Amino acid sequence: AQKVTQAQTEISVVEKEDVTLDCVYETRDTTYYLFWYKQPPSGELVFLIRRNSFDEQNEISGRYSWNFQKSTSSFNFTITASQVVDSAVYFCALGLYSGGGADGLTFGKGTHLIIQP
Amino acid sequence: EAQVTQNPRYLITVTGKKLTVTCSQNMNHEYMSWYRQDPGLGLRQIYYSMNVEVTDKGDVPEGYKVSRKEKRNFPLILESPSPNQTSLYFCASSLIRADTQYFGPGTRLTVL
Repeated sequence: AQKVTQAQTEISVVEKEDVTLDCVYETRDTTYYLFWYKQPPSGELVFLIRRNSFDEQNEISGRYSWNFQKSTSSFNFTITASQVVDSAVYFCALGLYSGGGADGLTFGKGTHLIIQP
Repeated sequence: EAQVTQNPRYLITVTGKKLTVTCSQNMNHEYMSWYRQDPGLGLRQIYYSMNVEVTDKGDVPEGYKVSRKEKRNFPLILESPSPNQTSLYFCASSLIRADTQYFGPGTRLTVL
């Protein structure tokens, strides 16, 4: 069965600091997708990024960057020069192309990121 | 605007009173699913649907029903709600399974 672990329950940093959110996944499938979602205090789930298992290139989007390493089954998310608006709960998720089990996305339990002014 | 809508957004009800939470998407997505979010447990899938008239159980289906009579709609039915179904519910849709899922705004349900 697949599993996603976000070991950091809560992280608190001061504005402008860099912060990395960890995500470790487990699956026996060779074809899968990894996601990050943001849940701000308003409660909606906002899609941030999707990577497939064949593409280990790191990605950068503005202050956000993602490091995907199959060798360690990790998909970490870094926010550079954090801002108060980055305060949210961030979820890492795994999707299997082959289905099986409960289907859909398997989510980690989330990391609550607090950016203090 | 491409979106997933859910109604109601907030609902307080009593044990045993049947309720339906509606979900609709305008993106012509084949795959739709329902999740519940509980503190410390993250999001867990309740039911999903690969296409019209095709539904199946997720991780936590007990106490819930769904139907998919039209491609755009995927209502969640609680025939006899109980307090342990108090939760934040999300509907999601994607083009196909394992593709990016887009979530509705959530429905906060309280069962007294």
